[in-house]
Amino acid sequence: NAGVTQTPKFQVLKTGQSMTLQCAQDMNHNSMYWYRQDPGMGLRLIYYSASEGTTDKGEVPNGYNVSRLNKREFSLRLESAAPSQTSVYFCASSYRGFHTFGSGTRLTVV
Amino acid sequence: AQTVTQSQPEMSVQEAETVTLSCTYDTSESDYYLFWYKQPPSRQMILVIRQEAYKQQNATENRFSVNFQKAAKSFSLKISDSQLGDAAMYFCAYRSAFAGTASKLTFGTGTRLQVTL
Repeated sequence: NAGVTQTPKFQVLKTGQSMTLQCAQDMNHNSMYWYRQDPGMGLRLIYYSASEGTTDKGEVPNGYNVSRLNKREFSLRLESAAPSQTSVYFCASSYRGFHTFGSGTRLTVV
Repeated sequence: AQTVTQSQPEMSVQEAETVTLSCTYDTSESDYYLFWYKQPPSRQMILVIRQEAYKQQNATENRFSVNFQKAAKSFSLKISDSQLGDAAMYFCAYRSAFAGTASKLTFGTGTRLQVTL
């Protein structure tokens, strides 16, 4: 099915460990995004990529890095995970302003 | 920077009744888009309805309609004939219409809707 695929769906990390969240879309969208969702906070933008080869910081970029590998893929890396990064992470892509979201990754940092 | 405020953390409605979820926003821009997203327990983000600021007519999608008051910067969602499947978290979101903003969304904090028999 066409859409946005995120992996993994669940992950538990120890403080200080690193990991990469993967995201791929097959809709040929130019723009891609990473959001995090915390209780009572809604979704907040971490990083986005307006087009292949460009990335920009969003509202809460500290502690994260991103790579727009090609038009399809946009990964989010946590270099040294902290408990404050426990959250649900959503990847999305957009065309003409319409977002399509992945199913999310629930990350717990202990 | 734009902000979106949802002042109702939780709402409850009886099946078949009507409920209105509130959303206010702050922006200095004149052209933008507003959205309501539904997030059921499955965690999937589902677009319910969208409104373009330059259109005065309120958007409607089946049982879902909005009351868009541009001067008041208010964008409420009305759900008519509520169904058990409407139970979810609802998010209001804003997007600038200006080029170069990469369609970034600014979300409110959400309203959890409970539907009772």
